[in-house]
Amino acid sequence: SAVISQKPSRDICQRGTSLTIQCQVDSQVTMMFWYRQQPGQSLTLIATANQGSEATYESGFVIDKFPISRPNLTFSTLTVSNMSPEDSSIYLCSVWGVKSAGVSSYEQYFGPGTRLTVT
Amino acid sequence: KQEVTQIPAALSVPEGENLVLNCSFTDSAIYNLQWFRQDPGKGLTSLLLIQSSQREQTSGRLNASLDKSSGRSTLYIAASQPGDSATYLCAVSTTGDYKLSFGAGTTVTVRA
Repeated sequence: SAVISQKPSRDICQRGTSLTIQCQVDSQVTMMFWYRQQPGQSLTLIATANQGSEATYESGFVIDKFPISRPNLTFSTLTVSNMSPEDSSIYLCSVWGVKSAGVSSYEQYFGPGTRLTVT
Repeated sequence: KQEVTQIPAALSVPEGENLVLNCSFTDSAIYNLQWFRQDPGKGLTSLLLIQSSQREQTSGRLNASLDKSSGRSTLYIAASQPGDSATYLCAVSTTGDYKLSFGAGTTVTVRA
């Protein structure tokens, strides 16, 4: 398995500002993803974070609103830009292909999430 | 586009009863199916992963089955305990891209 940490764990932000969420994994991983969970809803994939290149966004999500970085195999950031109350959600980082002892796991693991409230 | 449905949306049972949670998906070309548990305000904990070539997986009191041809998976939890109270999410990965499509979840309450 993998230990995934996210910072911050929660934040309350004002409309129009931006917040950057960090995701750190204790092992090298093949894939990193960012999901959003709006209140009372299930998870929706925002984008795949690609190492050293631009992220791949799902329909309905754009780079200007959700810029993503992935500088190496264990770290990624998601920025929520120009926030509005509709961005209030839990944002979760997930990983696939955890490498341990030369073997990759097929399970996908999730971080604890960042609870964002926009006022 | 893969659509994942979970029935029922909520379930309340007395302690000791067996739980049966259902998941259906529309596109049978899946890579794998994963069951997660989510406690209120928390992230997701992976429970079981079933590869597309497998028919079931077991871990302790948990057993998950997969029928690709009918687009269904079932999670069985034997002898439920109050600590099993949580939301259970089914997620499907389509062949090759590893991205997960989630169901809306089943919220389970086990009464002591």
